[in-house]
Amino acid sequence: RKEVEQDPGPFNVPEGATVAFNCTYSNSASQSFFWYRQDCRKEPKLLMSVYSSGNEDGRFTAQLNRASQYISLLIRDSKLSDSATYLCAVNNGYGGSQGNLIFGKGTKLSVKP
Amino acid sequence: EPEVTQTPSHQVTQMGQEVILRCVPISNHLYFYWYRQILGQKVEFLVSFYNNEISEKSEIFDDQFSVERPDGSNFTLKIRSTKLEDSAMYFCASSDRGLTDTQYFGPGTRLTVL
Repeated sequence: RKEVEQDPGPFNVPEGATVAFNCTYSNSASQSFFWYRQDCRKEPKLLMSVYSSGNEDGRFTAQLNRASQYISLLIRDSKLSDSATYLCAVNNGYGGSQGNLIFGKGTKLSVKP
Repeated sequence: EPEVTQTPSHQVTQMGQEVILRCVPISNHLYFYWYRQILGQKVEFLVSFYNNEISEKSEIFDDQFSVERPDGSNFTLKIRSTKLEDSAMYFCASSDRGLTDTQYFGPGTRLTVL
């Protein structure tokens, strides 16, 4: 069974804090990895694709460890507007697959003033 | 910025009725997907569609479900005889290259089955 696991949280942090999200996946054949952000009752919005070399976009840094089947997201200097649920998504990776995504349950972040 | 659109935003139906959820994917995208999210649960894959046929489907996507691309722009999900447990948000997504490419999600249709 292909699974993606995340800490459900919630994470309650003050503005300006650094917060880290972790995600593990069970399918070693997965080839693509993503972090999405989901606001309450809205669609997942792409935050970052995750590459083996790691990637950074402003205050956000994503890392991938294929050997451990582990993905992380770091948010520095968190803002009130970062409050949302962060979803880890992994493609199922089997030959012939058109890349359907398997999502974790998400980690809820609440940034307080 | 191009985006995926979905209609209606909210659909209320009686159990046993048929519903059709509509999506307009991003115009140059070739791969289309439906996902659903039951309230408080994770986003779950239903079906993917490429080159006018289903590529993959999950165990959720049983004989009550069907998808169609009736013209060059719309992508629809039909539920033939709705059940209470079909109540969920249904998200359409599209991508450019399939396996490794980013999927962009529409705003969703909230389906309520009474």
